[in-house]
Amino acid sequence: KAGVTQTPRYLIKTRGQQVTLSCSPISGHRSVSWYQQTPGQGLQFLFEYFSETQRNKGNFPGRFSGRQFSNSRSEMNVSTLELGDSALYLCASSSGQKNTEAFFGQGTRLTVV
Amino acid sequence: GNSVTQMEGPVTLSEEAFLTINCTYTATGYPSLFWYVQYPGEGLQLLLKATKADDKGSNKGFEATYRKETTSFHLEKGSVQVSDSAVYFCALSGESGNQGGKLIFGQGTELSVKP
Repeated sequence: KAGVTQTPRYLIKTRGQQVTLSCSPISGHRSVSWYQQTPGQGLQFLFEYFSETQRNKGNFPGRFSGRQFSNSRSEMNVSTLELGDSALYLCASSSGQKNTEAFFGQGTRLTVV
Repeated sequence: GNSVTQMEGPVTLSEEAFLTINCTYTATGYPSLFWYVQYPGEGLQLLLKATKADDKGSNKGFEATYRKETTSFHLEKGSVQVSDSAVYFCALSGESGNQGGKLIFGQGTELSVKP
């Protein structure tokens, strides 16, 4: 069974630009969650999509958005990039049922210069 | 709201030493509890899980027991190896159906094992 695939692995962007990250979940999983990981703030929940609908949302500004397609693949978009958006962005795939584990991709390392 | 607190790192041990990483949680109801491990430059890997009180999760020599009375899920290993050097995260799951995909993480504990 293929794991969670995130693309690209690395990105360098300039302040003010926008970026789109992609995540393909494990086959059969309907839930995709996104997390931001930084040395200062640790792992912070961005949002979760389940069956193409945003089901949960963390405390991030509206510049952070996402969507999920009918095949459960998800994209995350960040507009008007700031230096503080530099982070490892992790995607997690799960069945979406309560009390189930999530499986993570290797992440996308975003650097904003 | 629900939260997870882990002991602060870094933790430095010699090879074959005993490991304990403390984790306590605050939650309403009965969440599942997890330990994840992150190696440098990688995403998170599920290490073990426990879904109800008194359950013991185990994998690769690591163990953790879901203690509802002390709201704890401490990670232990009897004899660590250099290859266990990584960051360890304690996490709890959403309890209700519509919170199922969301995990709440502790701040992570860095473990360094010296030969």
